[in-house]
Amino acid sequence: GAGVSQSPRYKVTKRGQDVTLRCDPISSHATLYWYQQALGQGPEFLTYFNYEAQPDKSGLPSDRFSAERPEGSISTLTIQRTEQRDSAMYRCASSPQGRHTEAFFGQGTRLTVV
Amino acid sequence: ELKVEQNPLFLSMQEGKNYTIYCNYSTTSDRLYWYRQDPGKSLESLFVLLSNGAVKQEGRLMASLDTKARLSTLHITAAVHDLSATYFCAVINFGNEKLTFGTGTRLTIIP
Repeated sequence: GAGVSQSPRYKVTKRGQDVTLRCDPISSHATLYWYQQALGQGPEFLTYFNYEAQPDKSGLPSDRFSAERPEGSISTLTIQRTEQRDSAMYRCASSPQGRHTEAFFGQGTRLTVV
Repeated sequence: ELKVEQNPLFLSMQEGKNYTIYCNYSTTSDRLYWYRQDPGKSLESLFVLLSNGAVKQEGRLMASLDTKARLSTLHITAAVHDLSATYFCAVINFGNEKLTFGTGTRLTIIP
């Protein structure tokens, strides 16, 4: 695709519900990243993939958060039993060869937990 | 743990003036990025600095890196309104994929 596409752009959910966010990276990009950005803050690393492998998930805040990239292209980020503190912008980025080289960020998904 | 600090956090300046944003980081790194973010928009990569003494320029923006001081600067020359945005620096550790961002500098250019 022309860029990194994320969906939905906005998601409002009730506390305790599960949500799944989607990232469609630039085709052929090997590396995909997920970040969480609170209002007025810089993005914080959650996890990343090299194709379908997930070498680092150290940034996931709790075991309620999980991410997948089963075929090495599209990725999903799932938050189970959402809490109000999960409200944030979730951003995805992809890079052809890692280390954020020539990486592009998507527009993000604004998650609001009420 | 790598920490990245930016200052100032907020900067309001008049058109035509020059100013510098500072980015300090706490551990050695081999790669530093500067990003721009407009309200409600994604992050746009401005510069990547890879080595000590690296300097890159694009239009009215110039970025430099001093790895010994663990300091990068983003210099704005003769500011124009279009440069109003939030600017982030971000650092990657050696052998790592994790990008650690600063808190950002919200720049407002006043006509």
